[in-house]
Amino acid sequence: QKEVEQNSGPLSVPEGAIASLNCTYSDRGSQSFFWYRQYSGKSPELIMFIYSNGDKEDGRFTAQLNKASQYVSLLIRDSQPSDSATYLCAADNTDKLIFGTGTRLQVFP
Amino acid sequence: GAGVSQSPSNKVTEKGKDVELRCDPISGHTALYWYRQSLGQGLEFLIYFQGNSAPDKSGLPSDRFSAERTGGSVSTLTIQRTQQEDSAVYLCASSLVPGGNEQFFGPGTRLTVL
Repeated sequence: QKEVEQNSGPLSVPEGAIASLNCTYSDRGSQSFFWYRQYSGKSPELIMFIYSNGDKEDGRFTAQLNKASQYVSLLIRDSQPSDSATYLCAADNTDKLIFGTGTRLQVFP
Repeated sequence: GAGVSQSPSNKVTEKGKDVELRCDPISGHTALYWYRQSLGQGLEFLIYFQGNSAPDKSGLPSDRFSAERTGGSVSTLTIQRTQQEDSAVYLCASSLVPGGNEQFFGPGTRLTVL
């Protein structure tokens, strides 16, 4: 059973802080990793994807991938209350994505 | 261009009835995926289509669930003899090609089985 694991949270951080979201995956064959944000009652939307080991930055978001440790993370700098949502990690598996159960992030003013 | 659309947005049905959920993917996207999300849970993969073929149906929970795609475009997910445990949000996503590519999600259909 290919799995993607995330801490369900909630992860609470103050406004302006760095939020760190973590994810592990079981399939060493996975090559592509995705972070989706899902607001309550809405559908998921892509935040970032990463294919290569190391860091990938996009604005306030940084995705980190360590294939040896089978670990993916998402850092959100200068967290804003509008970042409060559930963050879903996904890894590719053959022709589909396997999603984690998501981490709920709460950013308080 | 238009995103992924789904209909109906909400569906309330009685136990034992059949329901059909529709997904219209982004034009030109060859891959189409169906997921189920129960309250507070992650995305449960159901089935995916490459064109009109379904190479992976492994996530369909029972033989009451079926799906088809016609013309490489619109897909219909059918649930026969609905049960209360089928209540969930059914999400459809499409991507340009299958595999490790960005999937674009529709707004979902919230199914409630009374």
